[in-house]
Amino acid sequence: AQKITQTQPGMFVQEKEAVTLDCTYDTSDPSYGLFWYKQPSSGEMIFLIYQGSYDQQNATEGRYSLNFQKARKSANLVISASQLGDSAMYFCAMTSYSGGGADGLTFGKGTHLIIQP
Amino acid sequence: SAVISQKPSRDICQRGTSLTIQCQVDSQVTMMFWYRQQPGQSLTLIATANQGSEATYESGFVIDKFPISRPNLTFSTLTVSNMSPEDSSIYLCSVESLSGQVYGYTFGSGTRLTVV
Repeated sequence: AQKITQTQPGMFVQEKEAVTLDCTYDTSDPSYGLFWYKQPSSGEMIFLIYQGSYDQQNATEGRYSLNFQKARKSANLVISASQLGDSAMYFCAMTSYSGGGADGLTFGKGTHLIIQP
Repeated sequence: SAVISQKPSRDICQRGTSLTIQCQVDSQVTMMFWYRQQPGQSLTLIATANQGSEATYESGFVIDKFPISRPNLTFSTLTVSNMSPEDSSIYLCSVESLSGQVYGYTFGSGTRLTVV
């Protein structure tokens, strides 16, 4: 069974500061993927960034980077130079590839990020 | 990446009735996933739908309550049966799709269900 833990229910950050959202995971599968999604108040799920378990380098996508520490089973999301539009719920999620194809996603409880001007 | 059209976007239903949610994808996909997001909560996987076979349900979800159809590689429906107020949630479908050089999961816009 897989498990995702997000220990920060809510965070307040000043605009233009960098922010780190924590995510730890637990799985016995050797092949897995880690994802971060943003869910604004409108409810849509926006894919931000992906990290595969065998990827040697940390993933980056624009202002988003994923700090992947495999031995510690952590996959923290770093948002650089935060903007007011970054205010939203952020979910860490994972899937297993051990069955040959992708399974559905297991989500953490989420972090509600509020960017203050 | 794939584009998913999900409908209805919202509905208010009487307890004891059923609602069928539809998801149409603009490309052929092997698997479609259905999730539930209860108020103020995270997303929970209900089931995985493969074309031509029975859906695979997660623990806590049963076919009698959430029957799923998958008639072809671009379409699926989820029915919420014999609804009670506890079924009030957002229901989302999702597919694995290529986003740039990465396979991510694309989500429909969700169906916000209120049961009264």
